[in-house]
Amino acid sequence: AQTVTQSQPEMSVQEAETVTLSCTYDTSESDYYLFWYKQPPSRQMILVIRQEAYKQQNATENRFSVNFQKAAKSFSLKISDSQLGDAAMYFCAYRSAVMGGGSNYKLTFGKGTLLTVNP
Amino acid sequence: DTAVSQTPKYLVTQMGNDKSIKCEQNLGHDTMYWYKQDSKKFLKIMFSYNNKELIINETVPNRFSPKSPDKAHLNLHINSLELGDSAVYFCASSQTLAGDKNIQYFGAGTRLSVL
Repeated sequence: AQTVTQSQPEMSVQEAETVTLSCTYDTSESDYYLFWYKQPPSRQMILVIRQEAYKQQNATENRFSVNFQKAAKSFSLKISDSQLGDAAMYFCAYRSAVMGGGSNYKLTFGKGTLLTVNP
Repeated sequence: DTAVSQTPKYLVTQMGNDKSIKCEQNLGHDTMYWYKQDSKKFLKIMFSYNNKELIINETVPNRFSPKSPDKAHLNLHINSLELGDSAVYFCASSQTLAGDKNIQYFGAGTRLSVL
């Protein structure tokens, strides 16, 4: 079974600075997807960024980028120019890309990192 | 227009009661999910339906029964509620084809409090 580990329960960053959230995962599969979801105090789960394991290029979405190291099974999220609205719980998640078998469709989440942004 | 909508947003009830949470998606997706987020914010899959067929049933007590009348709806019925059932329950949906359409979109969650 796949596992996802977020080793930083809490992180803080000054507004306009850069912060990196860590995520490692364990899998025997070669093809899969990795996600970062954001959960602000409103409780809504919002997709931040997605990475396909077969792509070597790191995904980027505006101020958000990832450092995907497939051999090391590491998937960190970098937030540049941090804003107050970035304050939230961030979850790293894994999903198999193997077709067939219902369990492959589920997201396996890490325990989350609570990000505080200081003005 | 809300893509994945859950009702109610909050549910407070007594131990032993039976309650239901409803979920609807208007994204045209063929797969829907229920996740449970516990008091420590840990999210775990409970069930998933693909075209009204149950495809994921994790180790959940049989007091929990999902029902999918059509592929746009997935409801969660809970019998004989217990204190430990207090949590936030999230509905999500996705399209099962590979590629860009495998993203899961989440509802706003239902906070269930069992007293």
